[in-house]
Amino acid sequence: GENVEQHPSTLSVQEGDSAVIKCTYSDSASNYFPWYKQELGKGPQLIIDIRSNVGEKKDQRIAVTLNKTAKHFSLHITETQPEDSAVYFCAASNSGAQKLVFGQGTRLTINP
Amino acid sequence: ETGVTQTPRHLVMGMTNKKSLKCEQHLGHNAMYWYKQSAKKPLELMFVYNFKEQTENNSVPSRFSPECPNSSHLFLHLHTLQPEDSALYLCASSQDAVFSGTGRNTQYFGPGTRLTVL
Repeated sequence: GENVEQHPSTLSVQEGDSAVIKCTYSDSASNYFPWYKQELGKGPQLIIDIRSNVGEKKDQRIAVTLNKTAKHFSLHITETQPEDSAVYFCAASNSGAQKLVFGQGTRLTINP
Repeated sequence: ETGVTQTPRHLVMGMTNKKSLKCEQHLGHNAMYWYKQSAKKPLELMFVYNFKEQTENNSVPSRFSPECPNSSHLFLHLHTLQPEDSALYLCASSQDAVFSGTGRNTQYFGPGTRLTVL
């Protein structure tokens, strides 16, 4: 089955700097890669996703890149702000599957 | 608010108790999910229901018993739990259960129930 590895487990950056979180997956059939943000006391919320027919997707300060050959994808957050502090999860799935396989999570802290 | 509500938000129970967790979605979705979130395995899928039918059981012990009376409600009945079952239990819903590349499978999560088993 699919296995998703996420790094780093914790990340601390200065406000205004960029943050990068990386994930690798094992199943070459996976073609859908969402990223979720979980704030304290809340459930995870989808912030961006990418499908395997594109290599990069942007939405304001966040972007996701996908390298299908290497089977890894990354989340990039630019101009970080205190409200970006949260736990971020990557996930992978393939068409026809009913479940997402999640990475272990990254706790991002933005220092003022 | 994501449109998915869970009650109770916190629950403390003994190993011999029987309790139930409730999830309700107000999004008109057809699929609902239970996840377990703990320090050791951050987001672990337990069950998937699609149009009220269970379509996935991820080798969950029988002390967890799900129930889906309709597409808007999902329950998790708990009995004779162990301390290692203490975790955050998250419910999620999506328009469709199967990933098709259309965005209809985006999962929306509730805030979770923090369960402590003594």
